[in-house]
Amino acid sequence: DQQVKQNSPSLSVQEGRISILNCDYTNSMFDYFLWYKKYPAEGPTFLISISSIKDKNEDGRFTVFLNKSAKHLSLHIVPSQPGDSAVYFCAAIINTDKLIFGTGTRLQVFP
Amino acid sequence: KAGVTQTPRYLIKTRGQQVTLSCSPISGHRSVSWYQQTPGQGLQFLFEYFSETQRNKGNFPGRFSGRQFSNSRSEMNVSTLELGDSALYLCASSLGGLAGAGQDTQYFGPGTRLTVL
Repeated sequence: DQQVKQNSPSLSVQEGRISILNCDYTNSMFDYFLWYKKYPAEGPTFLISISSIKDKNEDGRFTVFLNKSAKHLSLHIVPSQPGDSAVYFCAAIINTDKLIFGTGTRLQVFP
Repeated sequence: KAGVTQTPRYLIKTRGQQVTLSCSPISGHRSVSWYQQTPGQGLQFLFEYFSETQRNKGNFPGRFSGRQFSNSRSEMNVSTLELGDSALYLCASSLGGLAGAGQDTQYFGPGTRLTVL
């Protein structure tokens, strides 16, 4: 039972445009959400996080939005750059105990 | 400062064998978490060790086990390997572990790619 879902396995965006990566979850008890970026042959690197008591968090070109009623969060990257091409994982923490990851979305930013 | 290191980087085993993977956390970090990444399942949490004690565990069979030493280095063992165990195994370290999540980021190592033939 996948509690954290990324329904789009891939996304292609032109350089300079906005990239929107989506994530849905099923458990309303999640209390923290994170986004990670992963390049091939490397471990994931932390990008940005958001507490369940907030609906938006911004860090430079990255903004995460949380819609608790819809159990949905999204990562916006503006403007997108070729170096952003990677696999993006959303993850959720329950009871500050366990970090549960989604299956990932591969983002490709083309010139 | 040095990041999380994992050895070996690549490993090929046959079904029925057992394997031990090693992870050295960032100096000063006391928590080590292990994850399995496969194309079909994405990233899945295996377990977390903190101060030599297993604190959290994912939904994996008992063939998957681990331990942590007094210097925080951790090993993961998989016994009676199956073809489905082929995956990238990642470890991540942090100061306080998952209990400090949000304020306490997990830093991942490069992973060990295990192939089971």
